[in-house]
Amino acid sequence: AQSVTQPDIHITVSEGASLELRCNYSYGATPYLFWYVQSPGQGLQLLLKYFSGDTLVQGIKGFEAEFKRSQSSFNPRKPSVHWSDAAEYFCAVETVRGSTLGRLYFGRGTQLTVWP
Amino acid sequence: ETGVTQSPTHLIKTRGQQVTLRCSSQSGHNTVSWYQQALGQGPQFIFQYYREEENGRGNFPPRFSGLQFPNYSSELNVNALELDDSALYLCASSPVSGTRYNEQFFGPGTRLTVL
Repeated sequence: AQSVTQPDIHITVSEGASLELRCNYSYGATPYLFWYVQSPGQGLQLLLKYFSGDTLVQGIKGFEAEFKRSQSSFNPRKPSVHWSDAAEYFCAVETVRGSTLGRLYFGRGTQLTVWP
Repeated sequence: ETGVTQSPTHLIKTRGQQVTLRCSSQSGHNTVSWYQQALGQGPQFIFQYYREEENGRGNFPPRFSGLQFPNYSSELNVNALELDDSALYLCASSPVSGTRYNEQFFGPGTRLTVL
């Protein structure tokens, strides 16, 4: 069974500081891994995705992440956070095989606050 | 290219009532998925529609039902509303279902409040 755990409910960083978001995935087959960002009152926007190939992925808003299979991790990093990065971030997994194809399983989210 | 749109934006209902939420998929997308996002939680998969048929369902009771129309737009219907149904309902469309990964594009959501 799939499970997605975001250990940090809330993160506060100063503008210009570096950032790493964390998520632990548990899945039975080869997964597709995602991060979404949600601004207040908005839907979800895809930040990063991994499903095969190069394990280092570039996303939007200056984020990048590396898929580490041994650690079941795919954690976005950004070297210098901007005030506009303040939002809620969700990790998600989709399994490749079986009846759950096309179904995203989400973590509970990490709220990012950026101090000026 | 028009993205995924949802209506209404906000809705207030009372317990026991019925509600219909609507979603227009992105042009060229034939698959629609619905998610429920309770306050402080991540979205949870309700069901998916592909070519007008249900193509997978999450752990939601039968009073949650849906439809997909020939133009691929979709409705989510909830009967006998309960207080716990208060949430943001997200619709996502994607080009194809049942094959390799296709990115899901999310709409802005409908905020449902049940009093």
